[in-house]
Amino acid sequence: GEEVAQTPKHLVRGEGQKAKLYCAPIKGHSYVFWYQQVLKNEFKFLISFQNENVFDETGMPKERFSAKCLPNSPCSLEIQATKLEDSAVYFCASSPSLDSYNEQFFGPGTRLTVL
Amino acid sequence: QQPVQSPQAVILREGEDAVINCSSSKALYSVHWYRQKHGEAPVFLMILLKGGEQKGHEKISASFNEKKQQSSLYLTASQLSYSGTYFCGTEWYSGGGADGLTFGKGTHLIIQP
Repeated sequence: GEEVAQTPKHLVRGEGQKAKLYCAPIKGHSYVFWYQQVLKNEFKFLISFQNENVFDETGMPKERFSAKCLPNSPCSLEIQATKLEDSAVYFCASSPSLDSYNEQFFGPGTRLTVL
Repeated sequence: QQPVQSPQAVILREGEDAVINCSSSKALYSVHWYRQKHGEAPVFLMILLKGGEQKGHEKISASFNEKKQQSSLYLTASQLSYSGTYFCGTEWYSGGGADGLTFGKGTHLIIQP
């Protein structure tokens, strides 16, 4: 598609429950990024993929967060045993990265609320 | 290291100009500018890669200084639609692909009629 698609739009989970978010990048884009935006508007980079391979996972809290980008499937971000502080908007972005100009285009986000 | 954006907030009347700055303590690979309206996704404005680069158009443009440590976004003759929070996102190096961006804390821009 021409836009990054994210589902669901909203997700509510009780503390300790699992949450799974999905992202379909723009068709033809090789790179996918996940960002977390908390209430104070601050963005935190979580992980990036080049096609189905993890490119950079330095921002990922690995004990509870995991992510995948499998061929012919939407990318996913999964949080095991959610905590209150996981409440945030999770944005997915994609980039063609055909040259040095690595423009990243953002999806509409998934708002996760942990109660 | 997070880039420093200034000012934190700006209130303008329609038609006035604004400058938003983004500074880094070390040289950057690139700077990306975004505008985000409340409850919406960040919208890509432009990316600067080269020291001394200036790009954009008459109304919204940006510069990147020679040392690649500071970028400024210029909003000329502001319109109501320019309201929102402006973020700069920075890449420290090119990892051979596309890197995760480190964002500043944002600049809230309010345009009043």
